[in-house]
Amino acid sequence: DIQMTQSPSSLSASVGDRVTITCRASQGIRNDLGWYQQKPGKAPKRLIYAASSLQSGVPSRFSGSGSGTEFTLTISSLQPEDFATYYCLQHNTYPCSFGQGTKLEIK
Amino acid sequence: QVQLVQSGAEVKKPGASVKVSCKASGYTFTSYFMHWVRQAPGQGLEWMGIINPSAGSTSYPQKFQGRVTMTRDTSTSTVYMELSSLRSEDTAVYYCARVDCSGGNCPPDYWGQGTLVTVSS
Repeated sequence: DIQMTQSPSSLSASVGDRVTITCRASQGIRNDLGWYQQKPGKAPKRLIYAASSLQSGVPSRFSGSGSGTEFTLTISSLQPEDFATYYCLQHNTYPCSFGQGTKLEIK
Repeated sequence: QVQLVQSGAEVKKPGASVKVSCKASGYTFTSYFMHWVRQAPGQGLEWMGIINPSAGSTSYPQKFQGRVTMTRDTSTSTVYMELSSLRSEDTAVYYCARVDCSGGNCPPDYWGQGTLVTVSS
């Protein structure tokens, strides 16, 4: 099975900051990775698919990069509504697997 | 528009089974794979498996093999996830989530509202 190691597990940042979250796969997954944002009590929302493609309607301050085993989600200038938990998901090989999550908190 | 409407909250005793439904509308039901994902209180997301609504074929992680069964009813555009031999650790919100590409190899985009399953004696 493919393990997804996501870091950091939590992050304190301020409005306007640039933040980066990383996911590492235990083996190569090409670009078969998505990024999700989840707010308390809500279903996850897809931000990025195919590692770097921005979901329609998602602000351009979100971007994804990477291929193979290392992937990043970058938020270029944090907005108040971005404080949430973020997850990566690999779908290259069954079983699919999520990263452990990154909780982004206001500093 | 695509909608996934899940069944309501359940309370079950340890050892029992639960069957959660996910009724799809707004698209051709058999064209897109459906994932099931769960989230225990305060914890992360856990992938439970996937079903191809056209063929009825499924894939489950080893952790759930023998305890989970995913089925579909094409006449009602509904997928089901049944989990047996429930234990307290199965207390979680269960989500169905649809992919938005043919062939199934893309991360799910549309999600149900979630169903809380509580396992308690």
